[in-house]
Amino acid sequence: DTEVTQTPKHLVMGMTNKKSLKCEQHMGHRAMYWYKQKAKKPPELMFVYSYEKLSINESVPSRFSPECPNSSLLNLHLHALQPEDSALYLCASSRLGGADNEQFFGPGTRLTVL
Amino acid sequence: GESVGLHLPTLSVQEGDNSIINCAYSNSASDYFIWYKQESGKGPQFIIDIRSNMDKRQGQRVTVLLNKTVKHLSLQIAATQPGDSAVYFCAENTGSGYALNFGKGTSLLVTP
Repeated sequence: DTEVTQTPKHLVMGMTNKKSLKCEQHMGHRAMYWYKQKAKKPPELMFVYSYEKLSINESVPSRFSPECPNSSLLNLHLHALQPEDSALYLCASSRLGGADNEQFFGPGTRLTVL
Repeated sequence: GESVGLHLPTLSVQEGDNSIINCAYSNSASDYFIWYKQESGKGPQFIIDIRSNMDKRQGQRVTVLLNKTVKHLSLQIAATQPGDSAVYFCAENTGSGYALNFGKGTSLLVTP
């Protein structure tokens, strides 16, 4: 299995809703990532988990809350989002260590905040 | 080139021609580079990578060239096909961790 899966594919939520995005990989990778991508822009790193521990938080607002329940799963909990948070949310994973850091991306969740 | 506002640099080529997509980086400490292809509605897909101890690497129909002197990376696609139409991003690992820095992207449009 060489893919990263993400659910749901599309999500529409109101500013008062609470929702979660899910990501899964079975490649034995020990680093997992959340990126945010706006239209016609490159992915922007949000969070990095290594060995299920949060190692990088790129000053992301607290309305985004990541969680790594185990080495195969990564969640992103959403609460009180703003319309400007509408974007494609990408999950990725990679092996740990060294300069060999190929990241495998999932298909993303298209999020719309009304 | 640099993108302005919502406009990605665009490269338009005819089917069968060769394509060259360029990327400049600024960090001398970068030691690993990747090219990704992103089709509409999909996540980035790995194409080819290169380490800083190399200046050229070839894959199937693709070649990546690295010029560390001028901090320049290029992706060459041979015999471009309509299925190559996508946005192409270069990314660098600066060696400071596991994070990748992505370039602004180039939109490749292949016309029949």
